[in-house]
Amino acid sequence: QKEVEQNSGPLSVPEGAIASLNCTYSDRGSQSFFWYRQYSGKSPELIMSIYSNGDKEDGRFTAQLNKASQYVSLLIRDSQPSDSATYLCAVNLPRAGGSYIPTFGRGTSLIVHP
Amino acid sequence: DAGVTQSPTHLIKTRGQQVTLRCSPISGHKSVSWYQQVLGQGPQFIFQYYEKEERGRGNFPDRFSARQFPNYSSELNVNALLLGDSALYLCASSNLPPGSSYEQYFGPGTRLTVT
Repeated sequence: QKEVEQNSGPLSVPEGAIASLNCTYSDRGSQSFFWYRQYSGKSPELIMSIYSNGDKEDGRFTAQLNKASQYVSLLIRDSQPSDSATYLCAVNLPRAGGSYIPTFGRGTSLIVHP
Repeated sequence: DAGVTQSPTHLIKTRGQQVTLRCSPISGHKSVSWYQQVLGQGPQFIFQYYEKEERGRGNFPDRFSARQFPNYSSELNVNALLLGDSALYLCASSNLPPGSSYEQYFGPGTRLTVT
């Protein structure tokens, strides 16, 4: 099992719809979870972080965390064509000695069509 | 404020050569991490530095090395380049020490092509 897993997609949604992106992780000791957006040919951009169970909203974005089930999701409401990108899930996985290593999934490609 | 900067933007090298990539973090950030991203994959962790000390190392061979300078800028060195080292190399900075709540901000990356 990979440490951070995402469906590579592509996930295709119509403009105005809700896009739902999912991520699972292997280590129950993980405490911090992040979503990055990466446009083709560009570097990742941090869009959301979440640390506690439940929902966290920021504009059209909602991150959801369920530590018992070891998954984190990102909802994008009122999806726009400009949201078309790869969405990367990242988890700070604990390592021996008290360090944390940021570990990324392979990303989910989202396509929002007009 | 300027974001994370990286140089060069693009680089073409031949197998067996050595390369040095440079990164300047966001002003005030003392933590720098390096990642390798190949097409179709997420960034893979290489090194993490905080206050000029190595705080983490990923599963990369000893051909990869890095250091952080007193001004918190950083260099990534790769020796004896292989074709498989062709990738986007990303630098990320943070204003927090490495820990569980560690948000990072990425630079534009250096695209390395090994021929």
